[in-house]
Amino acid sequence: DAKTTQPNSMESNEEEPVHLPCNHSTISGTDYIHWYRQLPSQGPEYVIHGLTSNVNNRMASLAIAEDRKSSTLILHRATLRDAAVYYCILRDVHSGAGSYQLTFGKGTKLSVIP
Amino acid sequence: EPEVTQTPSHQVTQMGQEVILRCVPISNHLYFYWYRQILGQKVEFLVSFYNNEISEKSEIFDDQFSVERPDGSNFTLKIRSTKLEDSAMYFCASTRNANTGELFFGEGSRLTVL
Repeated sequence: DAKTTQPNSMESNEEEPVHLPCNHSTISGTDYIHWYRQLPSQGPEYVIHGLTSNVNNRMASLAIAEDRKSSTLILHRATLRDAAVYYCILRDVHSGAGSYQLTFGKGTKLSVIP
Repeated sequence: EPEVTQTPSHQVTQMGQEVILRCVPISNHLYFYWYRQILGQKVEFLVSFYNNEISEKSEIFDDQFSVERPDGSNFTLKIRSTKLEDSAMYFCASTRNANTGELFFGEGSRLTVL
């Protein structure tokens, strides 16, 4: 899987929007951009994924640059429960049946200030 | 909401002992995975399992490790002779669609090897 680069940590005030950046300059045309998060003492949790177009779901929005070399996860109103490590992961759609080997990096640790 | 469940939540064992970690994936999922996370480190892929056989495994998944789905609902990870360095959180995950779907993780089993 191609490599991603994220800031080590970010802070946000509660109820403010948060924009978590991810650079993936070596992304290939068949790489999906996945975001997972890990709350303290819990397993990773799927947040959102996309290929080319911006995506919205109940948890977040994913904005993908036109050249796909970067993306931004947007939490519209941060809550204390959103404090977690956020991982941006690329996964090739042609990885093959049965293969869903996610390569986690260090992610961005998001702190939410009350 | 359906979820992946893991037992035990915490197991303490002596070095050299066998350990079995159990997982009940979401019922209509077809692809199953084990990941681990040593304290303070990244989440690492161990193995993926589909159609009753291993489809991919990492270098970590050596001969000491094995997986099976004995009864069509449980998915187990066995460590034959535990080492100190096997101490970690072990996460089970499952998905219905291994190509683009989200991966659902359990809350993890903490293994402490003394």
